Amino acid sequence: DAGVIQSPRHEVTEMGQEVTLRCKPISGHDYLFWYRQTMMRGLELLIYFNNNVPIDDSGMPEDRFSAKMPNASFSTLKIQPSEPRDSAVYFCASSTLGLMNTEAFFGQGTRLTVV
Amino acid sequence: LAKTTQPISMDSYEGQEVNITCSHNNIATNDYITWYQQFPSQGPRFIIQGYKTKVTNEVASLFIPADRKSSTLSLPRVSLSDTAVYYCLVGDGAAGNKLTFGGGTRVLVKP
Repeated sequence: DAGVIQSPRHEVTEMGQEVTLRCKPISGHDYLFWYRQTMMRGLELLIYFNNNVPIDDSGMPEDRFSAKMPNASFSTLKIQPSEPRDSAVYFCASSTLGLMNTEAFFGQGTRLTVV
Repeated sequence: LAKTTQPISMDSYEGQEVNITCSHNNIATNDYITWYQQFPSQGPRFIIQGYKTKVTNEVASLFIPADRKSSTLSLPRVSLSDTAVYYCLVGDGAAGNKLTFGGGTRVLVKP
């Protein structure tokens, strides 16, 4: 398996624009997580899915952020409209079975810069 | 969720053993202890997981005392490439627990 695949790797956009980040989890994994990492706040869990259903989105900063998982092999994180403070590295991760009884695999991340 | 506390940073030299201790005083009976490693510009990577006593794999050892209120990640004979941030996580998979990362320990291995 190629691991968790995220696209794009880098994204530069202007304030106010819509940004869509994409993630392909490892086949067979039934948990998918979206994280955001900044120097100030570290790694923050934004939302996670189990079997394509959002379980906990309490980490989503505000209504400008939305995430979907239309099927087991694809998820998106959308920011609309984007703001400079959204600049961060966004990671997607997937795992299976119990979250802590097995390892989670992270993608390479998407570095988002909003100017 | 059990809160974890670990040192912000540690320096070491090549060839030395590095031990990072994580405190988790409120760990629950069903909680596992998991450590992740993150290199710059990469996502975190699973290192090791344990419940009690000692766990060893090809990368590290994890020591967990009987009361499980702390754990120590041991990296034997570190090299420059072990420079990374190491995260300690505690949680219960059966409860659908979130994978929540704390601040981590930044380990710098010097030549």
